[in-house]
Amino acid sequence: SQQGEEDPQALSIQEGENATMNCSYKTSINNLQWYRQNSGRGLVHLILIRSNEREKHSGRLRVTLDTSKKSSSLLITASRAADTASYFCATLTSGTYKYIFGTGTRLKVLA
Amino acid sequence: DARVTQTPRDKVTEMGQEVTMRCQPILGHNTVFWYRQTMMQGLELLAYFRNRAPLDDSGMPKDRFSAEMPDATLATLKIQPSEPRDSAVYFCASGPGGGETQYFGPGTRLLVL
Repeated sequence: SQQGEEDPQALSIQEGENATMNCSYKTSINNLQWYRQNSGRGLVHLILIRSNEREKHSGRLRVTLDTSKKSSSLLITASRAADTASYFCATLTSGTYKYIFGTGTRLKVLA
Repeated sequence: DARVTQTPRDKVTEMGQEVTMRCQPILGHNTVFWYRQTMMQGLELLAYFRNRAPLDDSGMPKDRFSAEMPDATLATLKIQPSEPRDSAVYFCASGPGGGETQYFGPGTRLLVL
């Protein structure tokens, strides 16, 4: 399979804590994106990091990218119950428009 | 607020029947994707189009699935004949091209009995 893999598969934390999710991939990429999916709904884009970037911030989100290790992490700080969702990384394979999605991390934030 | 729309939202059908799912991409987007999501396989890319031309449909079972873009405002995914293993949520997504953000529709939840 060419799918990326997220780690952990599931994560349960208390409101206010930080949540960290990791993504590993296999191909050479142009960029890596993180998406959120609430139960039964479509995916919503969160943040994009290009292959020549190492870190990016957006509000409470922090994304890092290590192309030498083919891995990325998503940090959500000061989590809220509304952050409860599944989070997916998606990599854009170099030279194509083909996105490969990871297996997802199910995050549960307890109020 | 521009959105990708998909119809129907839910579909229950019997094995052997034809299923047609429709997607209206965001106006001005030139890239359209079809994905299938199941618990077992996760999110799988079935096909993608750029400027209405199919660039890759290698993820689709060719004998029963077909994807088309009759015009820039409509993408269709057909299954004929449908089988119980096709039960899944099918998502359409569009993008402005150039490897940027994809915008997902709400999905079509398909159940084949």
